[in-house]
Amino acid sequence: NAGVTQTPKFRVLKTGQSMTLLCAQDMNHEYMYWYRQDPGMGLRLIHYSVGEGTTAKGEVPDGYNVSRLKKQNFLLGLESAAPSQTSVYFCASSSDRAGRGTEAFFGQGTRLTVV
Amino acid sequence: ELKVEQNPLFLSMQEGKNYTIYCNYSTTSDRLYWYRQDPGKSLESLFVLLSNGAVKQEGRLMASLDTKARLSTLHITAAVHDLSATYFCAARLSSGSARQLTFGSGTQLTVLP
Repeated sequence: NAGVTQTPKFRVLKTGQSMTLLCAQDMNHEYMYWYRQDPGMGLRLIHYSVGEGTTAKGEVPDGYNVSRLKKQNFLLGLESAAPSQTSVYFCASSSDRAGRGTEAFFGQGTRLTVV
Repeated sequence: ELKVEQNPLFLSMQEGKNYTIYCNYSTTSDRLYWYRQDPGKSLESLFVLLSNGAVKQEGRLMASLDTKARLSTLHITAAVHDLSATYFCAARLSSGSARQLTFGSGTQLTVLP
């Protein structure tokens, strides 16, 4: 039971470097989300997707881009990393069904440090 | 825009006591989630509430939803140390295609012996 898998789990970047975080889910969920979690600030939505080929901005989208070319994958890109993007990043997925299987499942998180 | 507010943000309670965490949300939502997070870990799903008046219970935790008041509560009965964690509520926007899932700031619960 893989659920939601994030790679990598840890990463250190230098300011200005780029990287892509991968989120993969095997539950055939329509919706996928990227969040960042900072101390004392809860989870803030960066971008989300309601289906393959669609993406939308969340609360804190600046400095990030996303793509959802396949239903099971949701990629988060940092084109030019900044120290302010040091955070723990969580991916989540959920379905549109009512009843059973309505939970939103989370990945294990990616701890990113930008120096 | 959907806003979700939790209170209290910090809660310290004695073992054996009862307490309630409150979650208010600002606009129509089609589902309300409660999660638990232990330090350095991911989020563990506790409850999903789908309709007005929904009540779900698991062990010492009980969650309820009042969609008219836009309020969900997480009630802790006879707290034990193992319940120490941060608890989040989250609401999903129900209008159109904007299925945003928005979280509250979390309630950091510490249960003291």
